[in-house]
Amino acid sequence: DIQMTQSPPSLSASLGDKVTITCQASQNINKYIAWYQQKPGKAPRQLIRYTSTLVSGTPSRFSGSGSGRDYSFSISNVESEDIASYYCLQYDNLWTFGGGTKLELK
Amino acid sequence: QVTLKESGPGILQPSQTLSLTCTFSGFSLSTYGMGVGWIRQPSGKGLEWLANIWWDDDKYYNPSLKNRLTISKDTSNNQAFLKITNVDTADTATYYCARSRFTMMVLPFDYWGQGVMVTVSS
Repeated sequence: DIQMTQSPPSLSASLGDKVTITCQASQNINKYIAWYQQKPGKAPRQLIRYTSTLVSGTPSRFSGSGSGRDYSFSISNVESEDIASYYCLQYDNLWTFGGGTKLELK
Repeated sequence: QVTLKESGPGILQPSQTLSLTCTFSGFSLSTYGMGVGWIRQPSGKGLEWLANIWWDDDKYYNPSLKNRLTISKDTSNNQAFLKITNVDTADTATYYCARSRFTMMVLPFDYWGQGVMVTVSS
């Protein structure tokens, strides 16, 4: 089984900040990682797939990078609507979510 | 327009079997490359993938739960199903179904249902 270690579990940012979340896989996942945003009481929303491909409707302030086992997700110029939890998902071998990161306003 | 909606019993007792239904529109599970997955989320906690079924009836399960899960589909009624046997309080969660796709590679879950809350309690 592939394990996904996501950090940090929580993050405090001011509006306009840049924030970065990381996910480390227990083995090479060949860039098959997606990132999701989830707001309270709502289903997750896909933002990025295949490490860095923004899905339709995802603002350009979101970005992703990485390779092998190590991946990162960033939000530049955090806006109030970005306050949410974020999850990585590996889909190279079955599917495994990271533990999540809760982004809060400082 | 792709939509999915989950339905379930709401509450059930320990040791019972949980039966969930995902009713979807905007795609067909008889179309090459289409799939439906089930994911759950205990209140205040993270997401856990449970199972996935593909258009060709290929099925995949979370290894940690595999012996308790059964996924199936009814293509004529645009539904997918998940059964979890011998539930206990740890199975209390919001259960989501989501569309998966395969083109030249597997694509991650793109469209999700709103989720259905399931409580296991005696």
